[in-house]
Amino acid sequence: GAGVSQSPSNKVTEKGKDVELRCDPISGHTALYWYRQSLGQGLEFLIYFQGNSAPDKSGLPSDRFSAERTGGSVSTLTIQRTQQEDSAVYLCASSMGMQAYEQYFGPGTRLTVT
Amino acid sequence: KNQVEQSPQSLIILEGKNCTLQCNYTVSPFSNLRWYKQDTGRGPVSLTIMTFSENTKSNGRYTATLDADTKQSSLHITASQLSDSASYICVVPVSGGSYIPTFGRGTSLIVHP
Repeated sequence: GAGVSQSPSNKVTEKGKDVELRCDPISGHTALYWYRQSLGQGLEFLIYFQGNSAPDKSGLPSDRFSAERTGGSVSTLTIQRTQQEDSAVYLCASSMGMQAYEQYFGPGTRLTVT
Repeated sequence: KNQVEQSPQSLIILEGKNCTLQCNYTVSPFSNLRWYKQDTGRGPVSLTIMTFSENTKSNGRYTATLDADTKQSSLHITASQLSDSASYICVVPVSGGSYIPTFGRGTSLIVHP
């Protein structure tokens, strides 16, 4: 398909384990964003990548969170030593650029830390 | 502090009725304002993007308004349908060199038959 895809759709992990979440953006989109949506809360910005520029990591909640984008395409969000408060839906979005360009969201990965 | 406040938090209406959702923001400097629709279990889908110079923009039965002076926006849904049941999210990105969006918590709309 031509949309943003994310995998896995659901992930259940034990507290303390590491997890990797994957995002495949729309081909040709230079900007990629990660967000977190906790139950009953609004979307929370985590990080964005724009072309070859250094990513803006200002939204990452702790140093247990990291993300990379290889070859300007696929991105992986890694959470180390997961905690129960990390349980949320992690959404990825891509766009042709910044500012007024429309963002296209993936379906999200629901992470549950037990 | 950049904030986006939405009201009401939730809304229940009958099919066929109209409704209006509100968004107030304090984000500065302002670049644009976006309304998204998020169905349960899915990612948000863009409805409209409004720039500083736009007062009204329509997308089918959805009409968004923007008053940049009072920093208010509204989303009006006409002749509601059951499929309109969703969360509607207002987003205002900070303009300038760094793009970081500020999200409202959304309005949960339920349309009953």
